[in-house]
Amino acid sequence: AQSVSQHNHHVILSEAASLELGCNYSYGGTVNLFWYVQYPGQHLQLLLKYLSGDPLVKGIKGFEAEFIKSKFSFNLRKPSVQWSDTAEYFCAVNAGNNRKLIWGLGTSLAVNP
Amino acid sequence: DAGVTQSPTHLIKTRGQQVTLRCSPKSGHDTVSWYQQALGQGPQFIFQYYEEEERQRGNFPDRFSGHQFPNYSSELNVNALLLGDSALYLCASSLGATGYTFGSGTRLTVV
Repeated sequence: AQSVSQHNHHVILSEAASLELGCNYSYGGTVNLFWYVQYPGQHLQLLLKYLSGDPLVKGIKGFEAEFIKSKFSFNLRKPSVQWSDTAEYFCAVNAGNNRKLIWGLGTSLAVNP
Repeated sequence: DAGVTQSPTHLIKTRGQQVTLRCSPKSGHDTVSWYQQALGQGPQFIFQYYEEEERQRGNFPDRFSGHQFPNYSSELNVNALLLGDSALYLCASSLGATGYTFGSGTRLTVV
């Protein structure tokens, strides 16, 4: 069965620190990969997505992610976090033309000012 | 503005009752998916509709049912509510499989 693993459940950083959140998936075929963010009290918002092409994807608010097919990974990065990045981050995958998203459990990020 | 509209935003129901949640997709989207998100958890896929038919279903009992209308809007129905059904119910719309827009959700509390 397809699954998504997010390695860090809770992350606490100080402002200006660098961020990397891990995401691994289990599926051998073509995948579409997504990172969503959920700010406190708000709806899920798309940060970035990989569909094809350049494996380094840039998203909103200075986030980027790199798809490494050989490692089945799609890690999220940001060089310098801000207090406003405090939120829950979810990695999600769908396989090929399958419209069903499989989600990781999420990573709670707290950024201290 | 999320582009996807869900109603109501909050509701409280009693065990054993039935509830209907509604979703209007983003303009141009033809697929609606429903998810249940418990507190502190990731969304769990309930089912997905396009072309007015249920196309995929997650691991949810038959008490959970849905419908998609010709204008692509959708309803989620839950019968015989249990305390464990208390959660945030999210609707996501997409065109195909490459981009999902989420609504703000309906917070259901079963007492």
